[in-house]
Parts: sequence; structure tokens; C-alpha cells
Amino acid sequence: EDQVTQSPEALRLQEGESSSLNCSYTVSGLRGLFWYRQDPGKGPEFLFTLYSAGEEKEKERLKATLTKKESFLHITAPKPEDSATYLCAVRPSSNTGKLIFGQGTTLQVKP
Amino acid sequence: DTGVSQDPRHKITKRGQNVTFRCDPISEHNRLYWYRQTLGQGPEFLTYFQNEAQLEKSRLLSDRFSAERPKGSFSTLEIQRTEQGDSAMYLCASSQGFLDSNYGYTFGSGTRLTVV
Repeated sequence: EDQVTQSPEALRLQEGESSSLNCSYTVSGLRGLFWYRQDPGKGPEFLFTLYSAGEEKEKERLKATLTKKESFLHITAPKPEDSATYLCAVRPSSNTGKLIFGQGTTLQVKP
Repeated sequence: DTGVSQDPRHKITKRGQNVTFRCDPISEHNRLYWYRQTLGQGPEFLTYFQNEAQLEKSRLLSDRFSAERPKGSFSTLEIQRTEQGDSAMYLCASSQGFLDSNYGYTFGSGTRLTVV
């Protein structure tokens, strides 16, 4: 069964304290791994798509990497405005538009 | 076009009542998706449309749920005989093609349903 697991469930950081979020996945094939940011009461906001092992993408203080079994979202020198829930999702290789999401990691960055 | 629009933002209903939600996708997007999200969980896929055709439905979509996308534009999601377990955020998303690697899916802000 296709499955996505994120860890940790919650993460508290001091401003400037770098860390990484993990997304482990089991899918029959992979047609893309996606990272989204979600603020309370809002819909997910797209961050990155990764397609193949070894691929990396960056945006401001965020960097996403992909291996054959997992993806990492690295946050460098976070700021309080980076506080949000970060969601990982995969699109299985079957002919589907469905994304399978993990449960998310809730990040809190304290000033 | 400012993005995916969902209406209403909040809905409180009594158990057993029917509710209908509306989603207006980004105008040039031909694919439209419905997801459900409960507190502390990631979104769960419900169904998706390519233009007006409903191409895939999740097992989560019981026969009390029905979705339509007439003329391939806006979409409605109806829940009949609501139950307390239907309380969740209902998210709509749209895309041009399955996925654009630069933009992913664009989600709306959701409709929060509370069944009392």
C-alpha cells in the first residue's frame, strides 16, 4: 500500500537554529514528491516538486532533497515567519491525479 | 484570476442535513480535485475531474457524497444526511495537466464543516 510518513510530528526551534524535516515514502512507483506549507485555517501552499533521487531544490531558507526512500526539507537559520505545518505528498506512478499526503510536521520557530 | 475560490468558508449544520460546497478553480486549469482534511492529519484524496468528467473516486467517498463539475468550470461537493464524522476541512485544488513541476496543485482555503 502506498504510504507517506513524516517525522517529527512537531518541532520547536529557536530563531536561527537550523534543522531538517523527514518524509519517508513507500509507493509502487514515484511520479513526483511534493512539499507544501500550510498555515492555520488555510489551504496548502506549494513549495517544491522533486522527481528523481539526487534532485535538490531551494527557495529562500528551505532546501528539499530526495533519495529513493525519503525526502528531507532542510531549514537554514529559520525565522518566526517560517512557523507552519509542512506537508509532504507523493504521486504514485499509476495514471492518477491523486496525491498521497503525510500527516505533516508542525514547526514553531521562537524569536 | 486570484486563485482557487471556495464557498462557504465555514458551515455548521445539524446531523442529518444536506450540505453543498462550491469550488471555483483557476480559469485555465482543466483538472479539479477534492480533498478532506481532519485536525492533525494531511489531506485525503476524495475525487478528481478532468474538465467535466469525474475520472477517479476514493473509497472514502461513500454514496452520501456526490461531486459534479458541470461544463468543466466550477464544481460542487454535496454531502447528504451528514454525520458527525463528516466534520472536517474540505479542500479544493486545481491544476493544468496532472501537475506542473513549477506550481504543483493550487489549493483553495477550504470549507470547514462542523456537524452538530
